[in-house]
Amino acid sequence: EIVLTQSPATLSLSPGERATLSCRASESISTYLAWYQQKPGQAPRLLIYDVSNRATGIPARFSGSGSGTDFTLTISSLEPEDFALYYCQQRNNWPRTFGQGTKVEIK
Amino acid sequence: QVQLVQSGSELKKPGASVKVSCKASAYTFSNYGMNWVRQAPGQGLEWMGRINTHTGNPTYAQGFTGRFVFSLDTSVNTAYLQISSLKAEDTAVYYCARDRDAMIPNWFGPWGQGTLVTVSS
Repeated sequence: EIVLTQSPATLSLSPGERATLSCRASESISTYLAWYQQKPGQAPRLLIYDVSNRATGIPARFSGSGSGTDFTLTISSLEPEDFALYYCQQRNNWPRTFGQGTKVEIK
Repeated sequence: QVQLVQSGSELKKPGASVKVSCKASAYTFSNYGMNWVRQAPGQGLEWMGRINTHTGNPTYAQGFTGRFVFSLDTSVNTAYLQISSLKAEDTAVYYCARDRDAMIPNWFGPWGQGTLVTVSS
């Protein structure tokens, strides 16, 4: 199965700062990568799919890039509501797999 | 709007069974596959598998065969996850998550609110 490795595990930033989250796949997954946001006590929410397409209602400060094995989620200017857990996920192969998550916390 | 509403929390003893429901509304149920995702306490997300809501054909991830069964009742637009012979390590929040697009295995969204299953003697 494809292993997704996210880094860093925790990102400590202040509101207004730029956040850069990384996801690396154990083999090429083309552009079949998505990002999800999860807040405490809530279900995950689809943020970005096919590397760079924002899901419905997702603000423009969220953007994604990459292809093959290396991918990035960027939050251009952190809002208070953006402090959460973020997971990447691939759908190039079965089984679908998630990264272990990156926590974006308030510094 | 599209909504998935899951059944409430369950407390079960080891060896028992549990059936979690996921009721869909505001879309054509049989056009979108349904996925199940497990999240153990303090852990990440683990894809358990998917059921084709048009054919009823399930696909299980490794590690979720045998004791885990996906099923449907299309008359009430509901998907089910049944877990038998429960073990303490099955304690987790279980989410249903619809395929984002119709008729193709796809990204996950929307999600149900999650069902906490606790297995304890």
